[in-house]
Amino acid sequence: EADIYQTPRYLVIGTGKKITLECSQTMGHDKMYWYQQDPGMELHLIHYSYGVNSTEKGDLSSESTVSRIRTEHFPLTLESARPSHTSQYLCASTTAIYNSPLHFGNGTRLTVT
Amino acid sequence: AQSVAQPEDQVNVAEGNPLTVKCTYSVSGNPYLFWYVQYPNRGLQFLLKYITGDNLVKGSYGFEAEFNKSQTSFHLKKPSALVSDSALYFCAVRDPGTASKLTFGTGTRLQVTL
Repeated sequence: EADIYQTPRYLVIGTGKKITLECSQTMGHDKMYWYQQDPGMELHLIHYSYGVNSTEKGDLSSESTVSRIRTEHFPLTLESARPSHTSQYLCASTTAIYNSPLHFGNGTRLTVT
Repeated sequence: AQSVAQPEDQVNVAEGNPLTVKCTYSVSGNPYLFWYVQYPNRGLQFLLKYITGDNLVKGSYGFEAEFNKSQTSFHLKKPSALVSDSALYFCAVRDPGTASKLTFGTGTRLQVTL
């Protein structure tokens, strides 16, 4: 069972709305990540954090923002949703040990109409 | 720069037959290699990893992978496929000699039929 939780699982929202995708983990992991997954399956890293008050942009440019005020919580916010934001968003976490595997949440499937 | 390639978008195999999902990588140093599986409407789950040591790595659900440095490959294998193995499989690589993050392949869909 996953110890990393994402809510909501599914979200349909209109263009221009502000949304926040929640991600929480109970494992005390320092490192957390957000990935965007295409309909064609490929994963793109959009944000990551190596600890509290530390956030970085990933490889894929994204209009979203993230925050890391608490170790266990890593929310992703879209200030103004657009149809191009329609995708699956996956949150992951891992320990500070360099060869540790990632633990993934079950994802949020976002549809912007 | 590090990269990983999964040359097959889809692999089809009959239940009970052996399966192989291919992965090749490129890093400047010695790689850390991972396999993940994704079932429908779920996140990715860790299957196995190669860090160092024995080239044959055993993982969850009867899967194993063989690290081949000369061919820069890390193919995922299972001796006898099950219908329940049908899923998306992702190979990933990290170069521990750099500050790089994990790089994922584009994924391979495994379809096991009766």
